[in-house]
Amino acid sequence: GESVGLHLPTLSVQEGDNSIINCAYSNSASDYFIWYKQESGKGPQFIIDIRSNMDKRQGQRVTVLLNKTVKHLSLQIAATQPGDSAVYFCAGAVSGTYKYIFGTGTRLKVLA
Amino acid sequence: DAGVIQSPRHEVTEMGQEVTLRCKPISGHNSLFWYRQTMMRGLELLIYFNNNVPIDDSGMPEDRFSAKMPNASFSTLKIQPSEPRDSAVYFCASSLDRVAQYFGPGTRLTVL
Repeated sequence: GESVGLHLPTLSVQEGDNSIINCAYSNSASDYFIWYKQESGKGPQFIIDIRSNMDKRQGQRVTVLLNKTVKHLSLQIAATQPGDSAVYFCAGAVSGTYKYIFGTGTRLKVLA
Repeated sequence: DAGVIQSPRHEVTEMGQEVTLRCKPISGHNSLFWYRQTMMRGLELLIYFNNNVPIDDSGMPEDRFSAKMPNASFSTLKIQPSEPRDSAVYFCASSLDRVAQYFGPGTRLTVL
């Protein structure tokens, strides 16, 4: 479903620890997924994407894991920093289409 | 590389007034999207253009909303007349061939 700001789950992580943010999707036809980071007062920022022919993709300090069997996506952030504090949400789409289905956002709070 | 540019960043207007939001997509991108984000409903797709042609406007709330894309580097979203319930953050996003969507910084609209 769509992200709903008032009811966002919150993940609090100590600075320097790793963060794992989860996302479940319902459309089995979805074969393209994106993670976005949205800081307060800013637009969603592209972090990393993955296609369904992969189960893992790594970026700079971030890793996305895809489990198609259980329709689950996760974003791992290594060595979490204060600048990582934001709302994170995933989006899924069927390749060649344009309609993203946005997951429920998760608010990440990094504790000093 | 400049990202998606939106103007104005903030708009405060009175009920009944016309509001025009502007967007310049990333150069070379052929798809443009207008979204609305509220605390209660999250991100909602309003309209999608491909190669300057409106493809799907099913998300446009009502006839008070209209969008145009006269060329590949400019789009507008107009609300006339505006109502308090239109208060939200409006995002423009662009993509190349409907793959990763890149969002602008948004326009925060307040209708009094």
